[in-house]
Amino acid sequence: AQSVAQPEDQVNVAEGNPLTVKCTYSVSGNPYLFWYVQYPNRGLQFLLKYITGDNLVKGSYGFEAEFNKSQTSFHLKKPSALVSDSALYFCAVSYNLGKFYFGSGTKLNVKP
Amino acid sequence: SAVISQKPSRDICQRGTSLTIQCQVDSQVTMMFWYRQQPGQSLTLIATANQGSEATYESGFVIDKFPISRPNLTFSTLTVSNMSPEDSSIYLCSVESLDRGQEKLFFGSGTQLSVL
Repeated sequence: AQSVAQPEDQVNVAEGNPLTVKCTYSVSGNPYLFWYVQYPNRGLQFLLKYITGDNLVKGSYGFEAEFNKSQTSFHLKKPSALVSDSALYFCAVSYNLGKFYFGSGTKLNVKP
Repeated sequence: SAVISQKPSRDICQRGTSLTIQCQVDSQVTMMFWYRQQPGQSLTLIATANQGSEATYESGFVIDKFPISRPNLTFSTLTVSNMSPEDSSIYLCSVESLDRGQEKLFFGSGTQLSVL
């Protein structure tokens, strides 16, 4: 069975510091990996995805994620956090036919 | 890219009643997906809506409780039947579409359902 794990319910970071939001997956086959962000009172927005190729994927708003096949991880990173990055972040896995399986979400708090 | 219109945006319903949520896409898409986001939780896939065939339900979801229609390539409905307070949730419609050469998942704005 496919599963996505986000081990941290919440991540706190000071503005200007680097941030990491963790995601690991348990799958069969070769999945597509995604990060979505949900700002308060707004819908989900696509950040980035990995299909194949370079393990480091760059996405929207300065975020990037590194695919690590041996560790089955796809951690989201940003070199310098902004207060406006505070939101709920979801890691997701997709195989085919568009079905997505989401992690439990991680609340990112960036403090000034 | 795909623009998705979902309605109603919110509703408050009585126990035992049913609510039908509509999802309209501005382009033709093969499959549409329905998700539920319960308070404080992640998104859970309910079913995949295929045009011209019955929807495919995920484990824990059944057609009698969540009947789905998909009459054409731009429209789908999800009905939450015989509602109970446990059905209080945000329900989201989504599609996969090409955006600048990349396949992405697009979401509707969601329907916030409260069952009394």
